[in-house]
Formats: sequence, structure tokens, C-alpha cells
Amino acid sequence: KNQVEQSPQSLIILEGKNCTLQCNYTVSPFSNLRWYKQDTGRGPVSLTIMTFSENTKSNGRYTATLDADTKQSSLHITASQLSDSASYICVVRGTSGTYKYIFGTGTRLKVLA
Amino acid sequence: DADVTQTPRNRITKTGKRIMLECSQTKGHDRMYWYRQDPGLGLRLIYYSFDVKDINKGEISDGYSVSRQAQAKFSLSLESAIPNQTALYFCATSEALTGGGETQYFGPGTRLLVL
Repeated sequence: KNQVEQSPQSLIILEGKNCTLQCNYTVSPFSNLRWYKQDTGRGPVSLTIMTFSENTKSNGRYTATLDADTKQSSLHITASQLSDSASYICVVRGTSGTYKYIFGTGTRLKVLA
Repeated sequence: DADVTQTPRNRITKTGKRIMLECSQTKGHDRMYWYRQDPGLGLRLIYYSFDVKDINKGEISDGYSVSRQAQAKFSLSLESAIPNQTALYFCATSEALTGGGETQYFGPGTRLLVL
């Protein structure tokens, strides 16, 4: 069964600290992997997208990595800010069928002052 | 103005009632989607539409129906609401790109409570 699992479920860090969120998937065949940020009460917003040939992609203080061999991805947040408090969702797109996105359950990040 | 809007933002209804959630977009995208989000679960696809004449069921379409009135409008209906349809509902849009690299743009969500 195609699945996307994220860890940890929730995380609390102090402002200015770094953190890394994990995403493991079993989706196959694989097309791309995307990280979304979802603020409370808002819809998800795309941060990065990676195909299987890409290892790293950055978007400001957000850096995503992908290991297509082990089917693992991580999202690293550098020098966290209060505005980083949100849920981060990993989404994997398969290649079979006209539409096949599998959403993870997300990691809820809380950044404290 | 927001590119993807949803109405209403919040709704409380009773079991057995018919309810419609509406989505409008100004991004000019052909593709539109309806998802629901439940605590502890990832977003799940209810229906999607790749153009005005195209409607497809997602993984959890039972109990729901949709209407694509125009390129910019995609409505979700619950014909007879039940309590386990209590959830956060999102509409999304995307361009039509080959290779699956399209970005989905989500609306702000509709919080639905079925009593």
C-alpha cells in the first residue's frame, strides 16, 4: 500500500534553533515529492518540489533533501522564527494513474520565543 | 484578493441536511480539486476535475457530489450530511503540466460540523 509517514508528529523548539523533519514513503513508482507548509486555519502552501534525480533543494531557510533509494526525505529549517510555527506536510506523487498524490499526516512545529 | 476562495468558511448543519460548499478561483487554472482533512490523517481527495467537462472520483467520494459550473467554479455537495463528514474541507487548483510537476494552490478551507 502506498504510504507517506512523517516524524515527529509534533516538535517544539526555541526561536533561532534549527530543526529537521522526516518523511518516509513507500509510493512506487515515484514521480516527485513536495513539502507544504500549513499555517493554522489556512490552506497548505508549497515550499519545495523534488524529482527522484534531485538530492537537495532550498527555499530560503528551508532545505529539503531526498534519497530516492531509501525513500526518505527531510526538511531542515535553519534559524527558526516564530512564523515557522505551522504544520509541515510531505506529499508524494506517484506516476501511475491520472492523479495520484499521497499526503502525509504532517509534523506540527511550534517555535517559542 | 485571494486567488482561491471558499464559501462558507464555517458551517454547522444537522444530520440529513443537504449542504453545498463553493470554491472559486481567479488563477485561470483548468484543474480543480476537493479534499477533506481530518485530525491525524493526511488530506484525502474527494473529487477532481481537469476541465469543465471532466469530473473524476477521488479516494473518498461516497456521500459527496460535485459540479463544475465554469472553469473558475467547483462546488462540493453533501446530499444528506452525516456526523462523520465533520471535517475541514479544502479546494485546490493547479495548472495542467505534463510529468506531474504542477503546484496545487489551496483555498483557506471550510470547517464543517455535522450534528
